Amino acid sequence: AQSVTQLDSHVSVSEGTPVLLRCNYSSSYSPSLFWYVQHPNKGLQLLLKYTSAATLVKGINGFEAEFKKSETSFHLTKPSAHMSDAAEYFCVVSGGGGNKLTFGTGTQLKVEL
Amino acid sequence: GAVVSQHPSRVICKSGTSVKIECRSLDFQATTMFWYRQFPKQSLMLMATSNEGSKATYEQGVEKDKFLINHASLTLSTLTVTSAHPEDSSFYICSAYTGTGDEKLFFGSGTQLSVL
Repeated sequence: AQSVTQLDSHVSVSEGTPVLLRCNYSSSYSPSLFWYVQHPNKGLQLLLKYTSAATLVKGINGFEAEFKKSETSFHLTKPSAHMSDAAEYFCVVSGGGGNKLTFGTGTQLKVEL
Repeated sequence: GAVVSQHPSRVICKSGTSVKIECRSLDFQATTMFWYRQFPKQSLMLMATSNEGSKATYEQGVEKDKFLINHASLTLSTLTVTSAHPEDSSFYICSAYTGTGDEKLFFGSGTQLSVL
């Protein structure tokens, strides 16, 4: 069994300030973890993924996430937010060798001037 | 990255009618496609896994007679919501699995279904 908990349903930051979107996971297997972004009226886009290689994963658009097994966390960060980062972000876990994804409930990121 | 086209993006229908949603992989063959449902302010929930040429595998609690899935070719899967009711109103999104490459799973842009 696997599950994902996104700790914040809404996060609001000012442009140019750091972004932190929190995610904790639970998995019976060695998990693969993903962050997806969903802009309004757009499909889900993969930001980055962890698949048991380096624990610090760098993704697109300046985002990165660190896999911390001891804390069962996979928080998403970005040093400096941009207006175009405003979107819904999903933390996702996959495990057991299959392609079955379990999504978190999403975090709506708002970026203010 | 690979492109998955989902159509229509938005549909409004009367209660009791059926609605078909198409999911196409435009530049790759997808032996497996997935259908998800997303309620407002909630996460995506996997409804079913669709394999080309065989019956779909439905998740627990999903009515297979209500949500008909057909995966007749390697580039097309369809979801038909039969005898739709207002409680079927939701955002439906598909994804296609390439099986190769660094990023293997690509998502469509979703379909917002509103049943009146």
